[in-house]
Amino acid sequence: AQTVTQSQPEMSVQEAETVTLSCTYDTSESDYYLFWYKQPPSRQMILVIRQEAYKQQNATENRFSVNFQKAAKSFSLKISDSQLGDAAMYFCAYRTYNNNDMRFGAGTRLTVKP
Amino acid sequence: EPEVTQTPSHQVTQMGQEVILRCVPISNHLYFYWYRQILGQKVEFLVSFYNNEISEKSEIFDDQFSVERPDGSNFTLKIRSTKLEDSAMYFCASIIGKGMNTEAFFGQGTRLTVV
Repeated sequence: AQTVTQSQPEMSVQEAETVTLSCTYDTSESDYYLFWYKQPPSRQMILVIRQEAYKQQNATENRFSVNFQKAAKSFSLKISDSQLGDAAMYFCAYRTYNNNDMRFGAGTRLTVKP
Repeated sequence: EPEVTQTPSHQVTQMGQEVILRCVPISNHLYFYWYRQILGQKVEFLVSFYNNEISEKSEIFDDQFSVERPDGSNFTLKIRSTKLEDSAMYFCASIIGKGMNTEAFFGQGTRLTVV
């Protein structure tokens, strides 16, 4: 079974600063996808960024970027120039290609201080 | 923009009663999921559904739970004989198909409260 681990239950960052959220996962698959989802107080899950395991280049989406280390099975999220609206729960997720099973980590609650 | 919709947004039920949570996935999507999130805890996979049958289910998804796509648009989660510990947010998600650009779209969730 695939497991996703987020070791930081809570993180805080000063507005305009940079913060990195950690995620590790365990899998025996070679093809898979990794995602970071944001869950604001409204509770809806919003996709932030995604990464294909076969791509060595780290994904970037505006202020959000990842550090994907396939050998280490690590997938961290970096948020640059943090904004108050970034405050939310962030979930790391893993999905296999073949069966579309998606598993989530326990989440990291990010607080942004003005 | 197409979206996954869930009804009701909040359901209160008495312990032992049956509840049906409804979801309308995005119309051309083929894979459907239910997840639950007990307040303040992680998002837990319940079940995935493809081609009118369950493709995978977790250990949480026991005989108390069932899913159905009765009319080609709705995707329902039925919980028989609800227990207090079933209180949680239940999220429906859908994916268009396999592959990278198959982002999972989530509904806004149904908050189930069992009293």
